Amino acid sequence: EIVMTQSPATLSVSPGERATLSCRASQSVSSNLAWYQQKPGQAPRLLIYGASTRATGIPARFSGSGSGTEFTLTISSLQSEDFAVYYCQQYNHWPTFGQGTKVEIK
Amino acid sequence: QVQLQESGPGLVKPSETLSLTCTVSGDSITSGSYYWSWIRQPPGKGLEWIGYIYYSGNTNYNPSLKSRVTISVDTSNNQFSLKLSSVTAADTAVYYCARELIGSGWSYNWFDPWGQGTLVTVSS
Repeated sequence: EIVMTQSPATLSVSPGERATLSCRASQSVSSNLAWYQQKPGQAPRLLIYGASTRATGIPARFSGSGSGTEFTLTISSLQSEDFAVYYCQQYNHWPTFGQGTKVEIK
Repeated sequence: QVQLQESGPGLVKPSETLSLTCTVSGDSITSGSYYWSWIRQPPGKGLEWIGYIYYSGNTNYNPSLKSRVTISVDTSNNQFSLKLSSVTAADTAVYYCARELIGSGWSYNWFDPWGQGTLVTVSS
């Protein structure tokens, strides 16, 4: 099983500021990584796949980078609707998810 | 626009079998380009992939759940289903169905879209 570790667990950010979320894999997953956003009571929504490709309809303020074992999701200027929990998922092997990073209002 | 909708009992007794169905609209489950997956999320916790089915009936399961999981497909009704046997309180979770694009070489991929999810509580 590939273990995905996200940091930090909680990120406090002011609206308009930049948020940087990290995801680490226990072994290389190449670029087979996706990011999701989940708001309370809702299903996860795909943001990024292939480590850096935005899904359809995702604003350009969301960007992904990394390969191998280290990945980053950056939200360039946080909007009110971006406060949520973010999960990474690897699909290089049978799918596993990180435990999530909660982005909260500072 | 493809939509997925989970349905099934919200309460299951310990040791019994959890059964859920996912109805797909806006896409044919036999299109051949997708796996049809189940994922769960215990309250306040992270996400766990349960398994997928291809329209032909081929399946693949999370090794940690494999002994208790069966996923089946009903192409005539554009549905697929999950059965999880011998449930315990640890199986209490929101269960999601999702579509997964098949990667090259029949590999895994990301999940998009997801159903809204259904909470299943295991309790006597």
